[in-house]
Amino acid sequence: TQLLEQSPQFLSIQEGENLTVYCNSSSVFSSLQWYRQEPGEGPVLLVTVVTGGEVKKLKRLTFQFGDARKDSSLHITAAQPGDTGLYLCAGLDNYGQNFVFGPGTRLSVLP
Amino acid sequence: EPEVTQTPSHQVTQMGQEVILRCVPISNHLYFYWYRQILGQKVEFLVSFYNNEISEKSEIFDDQFSVERPDGSNFTLKIRSTKLEDSAMYFCASSEGGLRISYEQYFGPGTRLTVT
Repeated sequence: TQLLEQSPQFLSIQEGENLTVYCNSSSVFSSLQWYRQEPGEGPVLLVTVVTGGEVKKLKRLTFQFGDARKDSSLHITAAQPGDTGLYLCAGLDNYGQNFVFGPGTRLSVLP
Repeated sequence: EPEVTQTPSHQVTQMGQEVILRCVPISNHLYFYWYRQILGQKVEFLVSFYNNEISEKSEIFDDQFSVERPDGSNFTLKIRSTKLEDSAMYFCASSEGGLRISYEQYFGPGTRLTVT
């Protein structure tokens, strides 16, 4: 089973700061997705990246898929308290059979 | 905006009992999924379903589990004889196309199953 690791596990920052969280694997993924999950709720899809090297922007969030399709990053500019949540990466392995989630990065943005 | 709904939001059952968790996927979606998340742990894939049959399943999805699309709108997960370790949040998801072509899946709010 292909595994996804995420770092850091926890991150607490002040409003207005920038941050980057990482999703890594030793295996190639055909696609990676980023989700945000609030306590007691289901994950909400933020973005899907498919092509190695791809960069996608969603307002203050920038997502990048590594050239080798083994890793991805999420960069948040000028974080706001509303960005607080659990950020999960998830991906479909290169055989298109297993969809796996990383353990998540729990972000807390303090006002 | 269309969304995936799940009922009940919380289910408490005794060990050994059967439970059925219900989901209504987004209406034009063709692929359906169940995931579980044990408290404090990762979201884990259980099963995917397309064209009235299971397309993929994980090692977790053993003979105690079954899925069904009993009508045109509902998608259910049945656990035949619940165990304490089945306690978790169960999420249903649906997608328009299959994940192999990167179609996006949308998650429901989850059912919290507590087995006592």
